[in-house]
Amino acid sequence: SQQGEEDPQALSIQEGENATMNCSYKTSINNLQWYRQNSGRGLVHLILIRSNEREKHSGRLRVTLDTSKKSSSLLITASRAADTASYFCATDGRGGADGLTFGKGTHLIIQP
Amino acid sequence: GAVVSQHPSWVICKSGTSVKIECRSLDFQATTMFWYRQFPKQSLMLMATSNEGSKATYEQGVEKDKFLINHASLTLSTLTVTSAHPEDSSFYICSAARDSMWETQYFGPGTRLLVL
Repeated sequence: SQQGEEDPQALSIQEGENATMNCSYKTSINNLQWYRQNSGRGLVHLILIRSNEREKHSGRLRVTLDTSKKSSSLLITASRAADTASYFCATDGRGGADGLTFGKGTHLIIQP
Repeated sequence: GAVVSQHPSWVICKSGTSVKIECRSLDFQATTMFWYRQFPKQSLMLMATSNEGSKATYEQGVEKDKFLINHASLTLSTLTVTSAHPEDSSFYICSAARDSMWETQYFGPGTRLLVL
């Protein structure tokens, strides 16, 4: 099965800076999604980008998708302390209502 | 809208006992629900796909006799960890897909299981 891989595994930046996380996957996909998880809690859906889209914005979030390289990036601009969390990409490559395949995640720490 | 709840939020049990975790879609119908497991500092791994009114589909390596899944209604799926052992201690998270919108899954808050 496909497996997303995020890098970096951990990222620590100062508040106000931009944070960029990358995700790679192995097989073809229908869409790719990014989720946030605060320590020990459930997932919060951030953004979904379809395989025929190249870029998508939502507030301070910008996601890109390059299907030729099987990679995606998540950019968080003007980071805040509340953005401290783990971020996961997830792919749905089998169509229909299928379970997601999650990457290993990037742990982001925003230092005040 | 699109709220998914889980109960209990955490449970501690003795080795050998069975634990049932409920996953409910509160304001929408979900023909399909999913169960994931997450070990500390690791990612989520799909365990099984739960379909209302039919048998669950398990991922490779997941024991169907150990992790019993029942999806008796369009808003409720249950996961029962039978004869739990310490290695089953994990964070179990469910998600549900709205019938008309397959793409987005809504996740429950998770259930933390500790088996002593």
